[in-house]
Amino acid sequence: DGGITQSPKYLFRKEGQNVTLSCEQNLNHDAMYWYRQDPGQGLRLIYYSQIVNDFQKGDIAEGYSVSREKKESFPLTVTSAQKNPTAFYLCASHLAGSGEQFFGPGTRLTVL
Amino acid sequence: AQKITQTQPGMFVQEKEAVTLDCTYDTSDQSYGLFWYKQPSSGEMIFLIYQGSYDEQNATEGRYSLNFQKARKSANLVISASQLGDSAMYFCAMREGRDAGNNRKLIWGLGTSLAVNP
Repeated sequence: DGGITQSPKYLFRKEGQNVTLSCEQNLNHDAMYWYRQDPGQGLRLIYYSQIVNDFQKGDIAEGYSVSREKKESFPLTVTSAQKNPTAFYLCASHLAGSGEQFFGPGTRLTVL
Repeated sequence: AQKITQTQPGMFVQEKEAVTLDCTYDTSDQSYGLFWYKQPSSGEMIFLIYQGSYDEQNATEGRYSLNFQKARKSANLVISASQLGDSAMYFCAMREGRDAGNNRKLIWGLGTSLAVNP
């Protein structure tokens, strides 16, 4: 089945450690996105990528980094510079020229 | 200023009744799109319905319809015959014209929590 996978679903890390969240899609979509969601809040855009080897900062990129070496994959690294990394992270993708974004199941990151 | 406003933090509806979730937006673009997504407690965002700014007819998808009032800049979601499984967070989002990077990002509201009572 086509879709977006994010792993793991729950992730715990110690403060000061970098952590990488996985996002893979087999929908052959061009664009991919990373969002952060805090309790009672909407989605805030961290990074997005329209094509391989290219990506742009979103509204809250500080403390995060991404790569887009393959069309199917868009991993997000939460660095130790991110002041408050505990949140729910959602990955999305869409086909160029189409409307809706499709989402993965999300990763809930807790930094202890 | 908020570009997408959802004024109802929480709503209750009786099973089998209809419910309207409000969304107003602010844009100076002529071409834009409006989306509604559902987020159940599992966390995944599920696309429900889309309305383009040039669409003359209100969008419908099964039990979901979008009441698009362009002059008022509102795009309310109507759920008919509510079911228990409709209990979730509902988000309105807007895609404006292309930005400098030729990308169409989504701008999100803060959501409305809907509870369907049996």
